[in-house]
Amino acid sequence: QVQLVQSGAEVEKPGASVKVSCKASGYTFTSYDIHWVRQATGQGLEWMGWMNPNSGNTGYAQKFQGRVTMTRNNYISTAYMELSSLRSEDTAVYYCARDLSYSFDYWGQGTLVTVSS
Amino acid sequence: QSALTQPASVSGSPGQSITISCTGTSSDVGGYNFVSWYQQHPGKAPKLMIYEVSNRPSGVSSRFSASKSGNTASLTISGLQAEDEADFYCSSYTSSSTVVFGGGTKLTVL
Repeated sequence: QVQLVQSGAEVEKPGASVKVSCKASGYTFTSYDIHWVRQATGQGLEWMGWMNPNSGNTGYAQKFQGRVTMTRNNYISTAYMELSSLRSEDTAVYYCARDLSYSFDYWGQGTLVTVSS
Repeated sequence: QSALTQPASVSGSPGQSITISCTGTSSDVGGYNFVSWYQQHPGKAPKLMIYEVSNRPSGVSSRFSASKSGNTASLTISGLQAEDEADFYCSSYTSSSTVVFGGGTKLTVL
């Protein structure tokens, strides 16, 4: 069965960076794009960007351009999302999700990133 | 890219039908057949309910249906059940090669 398993919760200080991982199983990792979506507590979903694991090509929401980097390691079927220059407003649950025609059919369990001094 | 517009809340009684709207522009909802709907229960990851405007993934109840007219997409839930109570989000592909979500709609089953 398809699974996306994310890394554990993180606590970071303002100005620092965080890197969240997303390990895929149950399908051919390089055959589907991976997207990242975040959700602040009590707020809605916010799309951050996508990555093609086969080519490494990426596309980011304008809001995160210059601060986010999405990468992968195909040998271990794992995608990564790194967000830099963290501020308190970046406190949120971060999800990875598999692409199905610009929708997201499988989601990771979410990773809580807390930014606090 | 502005978020798609959804009503903040809708409600209905068990057995009734409800419809949630999702309004965008010709650069997103109106321009592409890549509108999706998600259900999210508290503390859980979102679940895909509809993709490509009106397609249901395997395992999603036929009580969920969706359509699009112009710049507005709609999700209809028929035969409301208590377990349908959740937050619902629409999303769309955009002309900027990005994805945009709606603000979310809280469904209350009375």
